[in-house]
Amino acid sequence: QLQLQESGPGLVKPSETLSLTCSVSGGSIITNSYYWGWIRQPPGKGLEWIGNINYSGSTYYNPSLESRVTISVDTSKNQFSLKLSSVTAADTAVYYCARHLAVAQSRSFDYWGQGTLVTVSA
Amino acid sequence: QTVVTQEPSLTVSPGGTVTLTCTSNTGAVTSGYYPNWFQQKPGQAPRTLIYSTSNKHSWTPARFSGSLLGGKAALTLSGVQPEDEAEYYCLLYCGGAWVFGGGTKLTVL
Repeated sequence: QLQLQESGPGLVKPSETLSLTCSVSGGSIITNSYYWGWIRQPPGKGLEWIGNINYSGSTYYNPSLESRVTISVDTSKNQFSLKLSSVTAADTAVYYCARHLAVAQSRSFDYWGQGTLVTVSA
Repeated sequence: QTVVTQEPSLTVSPGGTVTLTCTSNTGAVTSGYYPNWFQQKPGQAPRTLIYSTSNKHSWTPARFSGSLLGGKAALTLSGVQPEDEAEYYCLLYCGGAWVFGGGTKLTVL
């Protein structure tokens, strides 16, 4: 059974860089059929897609966040990571990592991590 | 900027049928938007129910179905159960980016 687990600091200071890692177990991150993505949810609000990456490092991002976001992959560790720079209180959210099926006409965020709350505060 | 809109809230009786919709301000939703539907209960991660308009995952209950209706993506629940009370989000692929709707709070009453 595929499992994803987010990890990283739960508290980040304003103007600093938020860094999270998603560890994948029960399956390899090296697959042509899937991308790997980050989604966030501010407390009490809706979901927002941040960006996706595949195992070879090909990325695409939410245009509203693109200037501050970097997603990378480490196939040797079966992990992918998120960096979000110049954070403000508006970046306080639960951050989820997820697997994204992308083959033929099928597109689906099928497996999700449990999420990790990141608070931006001095 | 693409805006995806859902009904903010709906109420349905147990055993009843309800349809949630998802629209884009860029025009009619088609299969090329790969509509996805997610269910989220308080304190839990979202769970994918429907992908690419009408496809179900192995864990999706049979009473959930997805379709395109009049230029919108739609999620229909037939024979609603009390445990279906939750927030439902749609997701569309719009111009190279994924955009979530604001969510529909479904109350079973």
